[in-house]
Amino acid sequence: EAGVAQSPRYKIIEKRQSVAFWCNPISGHATLYWYQQILGQGPKLLIQFQNNGVVDDSQLPKDRFSAERLKGVDSTLKIQPAKLEDSAVYLCASSYIYEQYFGPGTRLTVT
Amino acid sequence: KQEVTQIPAALSVPEGENLVLNCSFTDSAIYNLQWFRQDPGKGLTSLLLIQSSQREQTSGRLNASLDKSSGRSTLYIAASQPGDSATYLCAVWAARDDKIIFGKGTRLHILP
Repeated sequence: EAGVAQSPRYKIIEKRQSVAFWCNPISGHATLYWYQQILGQGPKLLIQFQNNGVVDDSQLPKDRFSAERLKGVDSTLKIQPAKLEDSAVYLCASSYIYEQYFGPGTRLTVT
Repeated sequence: KQEVTQIPAALSVPEGENLVLNCSFTDSAIYNLQWFRQDPGKGLTSLLLIQSSQREQTSGRLNASLDKSSGRSTLYIAASQPGDSATYLCAVWAARDDKIIFGKGTRLHILP
């Protein structure tokens, strides 16, 4: 069984630039999550999809972050424009019956 | 509101020793509790998942226990090795919120 795929693995951008991350969940997993993890902290949920509908985006900074999950499969998370404080690891996860599976993460550095 | 706390925040232990990591949560209404390992700048690797009806799970040198009534879980690592150095995260699937709540993790360093 293939795991959760994410790309890119690393990204370095300057502040005010835009960036996009991609995630492909495990086949058959209806629920997909994007987390932001700042160094030294636990993951913070940004957005949760159930199929292609949004379940929870209460902690997504909507003035600069956007996410979509077309066709209920893969998903993209975009930041535009980026700020220095967006430097973090962005984690994608999918779940089946109350167990989450995580991808390798994308490490974003904003300079 | 469910909160998850992990103590200590960091721990250094000589190689070969057994050790225990602690996790506590405030609301016993959970579906499960999961322990993850995270290497610097990387994703999360699931170590053990304990369902709310279970008391413990074991995998190799790892043993996780769950006491739902007291809101506590421990991760026991036997015969620690330098390769065990990582951050260990505890997460509960909170039933009332229907979401996963993470602790901030314990940074473990095994001294060769």
